[in-house]
Amino acid sequence: EAGVTQFPSHSVIEKGQTVTLRCDPISGHDNLYWYRRVMGKEIKFLLHFVKESKQDESGMPNNRFLAERTGGTYSTLKVQPAELEDSGVYFCASSQTGGSTDTQYFGPGTRLTVL
Amino acid sequence: GENVEQHPSTLSVQEGDSAVIKCTYSDSASNYFPWYKQELGKRPQLIIDIRSNVGEKKDQRIAVTLNKTAKHFSLHITETQPEDSAVYFCAASRTGTASKLTFGTGTRLQVTL
Repeated sequence: EAGVTQFPSHSVIEKGQTVTLRCDPISGHDNLYWYRRVMGKEIKFLLHFVKESKQDESGMPNNRFLAERTGGTYSTLKVQPAELEDSGVYFCASSQTGGSTDTQYFGPGTRLTVL
Repeated sequence: GENVEQHPSTLSVQEGDSAVIKCTYSDSASNYFPWYKQELGKRPQLIIDIRSNVGEKKDQRIAVTLNKTAKHFSLHITETQPEDSAVYFCAASRTGTASKLTFGTGTRLQVTL
């Protein structure tokens, strides 16, 4: 089966610009998570969707970040306007509902650089 | 909230030796502890996990131990090989709907010939 995919793999933007990251979870996975790793630190949770609903968005750093999952399939994470401290690698993960719901499968990440 | 600490941050071992990475967690309600391996430029991949009703789990050269009382868990890799070189992350979560993972800061393992 196809794994979690993310687009783009890299993005370089200037401070103040807008960037939109996309995640396509594994087909049939209702749970979708966004995480971020900044400057070699730990991978930090941003938010969790169950289908199209936001289950937990306690990790979203501020209102410059907007995540959507219309239709409960792919998700987008928009950063507007981007700041220098937003640089890092943004990971998406998905897991199924029922059975082994704990196992989260990660995408390859989007490396965001804000200049 | 949960806090996970991981040590060491870097670890260098010779091929064939064992490697041990240790993590501690703060939330006594956490009951699921996965370990991820991230090779350079690739996605984090689950290599082993353990749940709080089990004290130890083994999969070939990899084993994980859990001490619920002390709130710590460890990854053990035996007979290390160059392809084990990667960054390893431990994580903790509560199972169920609140299933976000809280990660440690990662351990860069280097296996030298």
